[in-house]
Amino acid sequence: DAGITQSPRYKITETGRQVTLMCHQTWSHSYMFWYRQDLGHGLRLIYYSAAADITDKGEVPDGYVVSRSKTENFPLTLESATRSQTSVYFCATLWPGQETQYFGPGTRLLVL
Amino acid sequence: QKEVEQDPGPLSVPEGAIVSLNCTYSNSAFQYFMWYRQYSRKGPELLMYTYSSGNKEDGRFTAQVDKSSKYISLFIRDSQPSDSATYLCAMSQYGNKLVFGAGTILRVKS
Repeated sequence: DAGITQSPRYKITETGRQVTLMCHQTWSHSYMFWYRQDLGHGLRLIYYSAAADITDKGEVPDGYVVSRSKTENFPLTLESATRSQTSVYFCATLWPGQETQYFGPGTRLLVL
Repeated sequence: QKEVEQDPGPLSVPEGAIVSLNCTYSNSAFQYFMWYRQYSRKGPELLMYTYSSGNKEDGRFTAQVDKSSKYISLFIRDSQPSDSATYLCAMSQYGNKLVFGAGTILRVKS
């Protein structure tokens, strides 16, 4: 299937545990992004990547780690999950030439 | 003050009404303007995209950008219950750094 897939779609974890959210794209777009969406805040950028092995912080990077060893994958890791990281996480890619971003289906994360 | 302001609603209208959704922004460097539609428990999907000022029409949807007033609008004509969703405005100077509004919840009643 073409497009962006995210896994898992739903995750429940406990405070202090490490969690990795996966994002995979089939288009080979250079730019990829991670956002979190919370009531009252809309979508906020956590990290983004311009290409394999190139990542940069967004608006709310604290508590998160990213890597990008392959163009098609962009995992997001919560090294020690906190309740404040309970959110819906979206991965996106930048469609070249259009300057628009396309989003995956999201991962709902609950930290107890 | 947020960089992009959007009334969260909810906005409730009868079927067939014209809907007007709006965002204001403070950064005059923004040149790419987008509207995304998000259904419950789904990812945002691109609805309209405009570069710089002006209008763009696509079926029942019209996007307007007024850079002098730092104001963008989305109009939905002949609204349908299937239009019920959250509408997010987004904008950027370059496509790699989108700034989103908080989203407006729209409910179209049949």
